[in-house]
Amino acid sequence: GESVGLHLPTLSVQEGDNSIINCAYSNSASDYFIWYKQESGKGPQFIIDIRSNMDKRQGQRVTVLLNKTVKHLSLQIAATQPGDSAVYFCAEKGGYNKLIFGAGTRLAVHP
Amino acid sequence: GAGVSQSPSNKVTEKGKDVELRCDPISGHTALYWYRQSLGQGLEFLIYFQGNSAPDKSGLPSDRFSAERTGGSVSTLTIQRTQQEDSAVYLCASSLYRGSNEKLFFGSGTQLSVL
Repeated sequence: GESVGLHLPTLSVQEGDNSIINCAYSNSASDYFIWYKQESGKGPQFIIDIRSNMDKRQGQRVTVLLNKTVKHLSLQIAATQPGDSAVYFCAEKGGYNKLIFGAGTRLAVHP
Repeated sequence: GAGVSQSPSNKVTEKGKDVELRCDPISGHTALYWYRQSLGQGLEFLIYFQGNSAPDKSGLPSDRFSAERTGGSVSTLTIQRTQQEDSAVYLCASSLYRGSNEKLFFGSGTQLSVL
């Protein structure tokens, strides 16, 4: 099946710093992108989404940036807190196709 | 219910036995996904149901895996003759399908351990 099974890279940041998590997506026809957060022992939780007709979208303490030219997506977290420690996944979707997840990045926030 | 419900939360089985994993999606959600997540890894797509359309089974790893969705609601993922490499967390997600803007809501998963 379609797999995103890789050893997860880890981003370590100090509490209060800004975090930037990057994701490269595969399908240039994808027109919808989502970021999910997964805490230990739980299912992924929606953070923020963006359509391909936008290049930036802001939420509460989070910003998603989309660069369609290089098929790159990033999630910026402002003033990172210990509660932000989790694994973060990007996902892409095109039209009526299924949602496909990226490999995931572990965010570790240190006091 | 308020969210996606999966049962059991944990399942320990012996190699060679069959297992059934259940997913109750959010009421009214027409799309339902099954994913598999091995320890410390990403989400592997297994199968996708959308309304009355034929399911997308392209992610099922072998013919030991099957899934059904009855009445457009509850889904069951069945693994026959389980193997140790089947050990993983099996996640179910549902969405109120509206074209491309598909926001999935996940259950907490079933942790399957095959001894």
